[in-house]
Amino acid sequence: EPEVTQTPSHQVTQMGQEVILRCVPISNHLYFYWYRQILGQKVEFLVSFYNNEISEKSEIFDDQFSVERPDGSNFTLKIRSTKLEDSAMYFCASSVDRGSGANVLTFGAGSRLTVL
Amino acid sequence: DQQVKQNSPSLSVQEGRISILNCDYTNSMFDYFLWYKKYPAEGPTFLISISSIKDKNEDGRFTVFLNKSAKHLSLHIVPSQPGDSAVYFCAASVGFKTIFGAGTRLFVKA
Repeated sequence: EPEVTQTPSHQVTQMGQEVILRCVPISNHLYFYWYRQILGQKVEFLVSFYNNEISEKSEIFDDQFSVERPDGSNFTLKIRSTKLEDSAMYFCASSVDRGSGANVLTFGAGSRLTVL
Repeated sequence: DQQVKQNSPSLSVQEGRISILNCDYTNSMFDYFLWYKKYPAEGPTFLISISSIKDKNEDGRFTVFLNKSAKHLSLHIVPSQPGDSAVYFCAASVGFKTIFGAGTRLFVKA
């Protein structure tokens, strides 16, 4: 069964450092997303991406965050200067064109980011 | 942002009995509601969805009920099995934005 793959599974970084989280979405999916889950809290929407541009973003997704689909397969989330509060599990997801149905997301296993 | 709320952080049920997980929402613009299940060290996986114009959708042991006037939905699992033990997230979508609740941890005891 096709799956969304994320790397790294765990990254530890120092505050102020740049971090890039990588995702390979399902090949025939057209819509890509990043979510995060701070330990013990809800899964929060960060950004959605379609046709090589951001289609929607949350208030969490400020100027420190950026996304890119550099080569047609990878989908990356960059955090320019990490803060302690960026420590979370980051989930990548993708979905097909929903047509008239529900927009079902397929998630990766997540990348745990620890900022020290 | 409290658009989707799951007020019960955990639920414990005996194997074979019914599990009922509840969810409330505030935004009338949501067009679909979904339930996802999450095991430790894995991402959420889709379970079942319901359109905002329906009041019930059933898939095997899983049934989702939607009460639009109360802005409430519930997931029923019958019969519950130990393998159903996981965190269940209620989610609501409009366009390509999906908002998740905080999750309910379900324990099914053998």
